[in-house]
Amino acid sequence: DVKVTQSSRYLVKRTGEKVFLECVQDMDHENMFWYRQDPGLGLRLIYFSYDVKMKEKGDIPEGYSVSREKKERFSLILESASTNQTSMYLCATGVAFFPYEQYFGPGTRLTVT
Amino acid sequence: ELKVEQNPLFLSMQEGKNYTIYCNYSTTSDRLYWYRQDPGKSLESLFVLLSNGAVKQEGRLMASLDTKARLSTLHITAAVHDLSATYFCAVDTRDTDKLIFGTGTRLQVFP
Repeated sequence: DVKVTQSSRYLVKRTGEKVFLECVQDMDHENMFWYRQDPGLGLRLIYFSYDVKMKEKGDIPEGYSVSREKKERFSLILESASTNQTSMYLCATGVAFFPYEQYFGPGTRLTVT
Repeated sequence: ELKVEQNPLFLSMQEGKNYTIYCNYSTTSDRLYWYRQDPGKSLESLFVLLSNGAVKQEGRLMASLDTKARLSTLHITAAVHDLSATYFCAVDTRDTDKLIFGTGTRLQVFP
């Protein structure tokens, strides 16, 4: 079974703080993704990575950065957290070949006060 | 830009009834995914539909794909309370491994 873990289930941070969300997978998948989920908006892709040290912007990258120094680990960074970044953050991993299915971590509910 | 629309957004149904959730998408794609999310939990893969006319069934859920109509359906037969969850469809962008998700359909099954 694919296992995707995220560093925290719940996180409360103050406005302006630097926030790190970490995702680790144990299945040697090439692709890793960060989404945020908000009511009524579904899942929106923030950043993704096809390989170590590679990153691509998704649909809503503003205010976020990522790091992938090792294949199994993909970090999402909020340089200066703002209240509009309060959300559920989901990490996913997937293979780089057909059928490209993605597997999700448990999620981190981040509240920025 | 690929857009994915689901309807209804919210569905409240009685146990034992049948209903269908619809997923429309705006550009050509051959791959469609259905996920289930329980409250406070992450997404669990339900079905992967990989070609026109594909049909997959698991228990009381059946998913189908019509790539010409750009439509997928998730049919619920004789609903039970355990099916209460939010259901998402997602479409790939064909040239990359990215998925575009619909807004989700929150299903509530009551006795």
